[in-house]
Amino acid sequence: GDSVTQMEGPVTLSEEAFLTINCTYTATGYPSLFWYVQYPGEGLQLLLKATKADDKGSNKGFEATYRKETTSFHLEKGSVQVSDSAVYFCAWVDSNYQLIWGAGTKLIIKP
Amino acid sequence: ETGVTQTPRHLVMGMTNKKSLKCEQHLGHNAMYWYKQSAKKPLELMFVYNFKEQTENNSVPSRFSPECPNSSHLFLHLHTLQPEDSALYLCASSQDGASGLSTDTQYFGPGTRLTVL
Repeated sequence: GDSVTQMEGPVTLSEEAFLTINCTYTATGYPSLFWYVQYPGEGLQLLLKATKADDKGSNKGFEATYRKETTSFHLEKGSVQVSDSAVYFCAWVDSNYQLIWGAGTKLIIKP
Repeated sequence: ETGVTQTPRHLVMGMTNKKSLKCEQHLGHNAMYWYKQSAKKPLELMFVYNFKEQTENNSVPSRFSPECPNSSHLFLHLHTLQPEDSALYLCASSQDGASGLSTDTQYFGPGTRLTVL
């Protein structure tokens, strides 16, 4: 069925390390794909999105490319900061405009 | 500031209490959502309202009762809750596809942290 699979956390990195959080999805067609971020004590914020194959979404140094051949939308950042510590959610939107969510990946960045 | 506000931010209630959560969006959207976020579980969609009409109820127990008086306000009325209902309740809004001006992005409020004793 429709789903999103994210790598399990927590992911712990040192400051300035390279980040990859894997996300793969199961869906019919080519839905829009999203990464949302939830900082401690806050609600979810849209981090970036891509609406069609080969699109690259980017924001705040984060990037993710819509790969239809591998049904993936991996999140990357070249040099993470302590302030990037948060929970990251991968999602796609179905034909009813409802989001199908991954379980979230907690990211911990140590100074 | 995302344009979606929720009150209260924190709520502690007993199992026999009745309380309400409030959500307000200032984005001109016409679809609103309630989600439940529990520890170590994916986000659970509870209710969806489009143009003030409920279009989705994901088998939510009747002790949760939503109300959408207009496209800017959404309430979640709570009564006789159970301790397992303790969670972060998130409200979101978006521009519904039926309007022809759809955006598939949902904007979230900060949530209400609910504790049921």
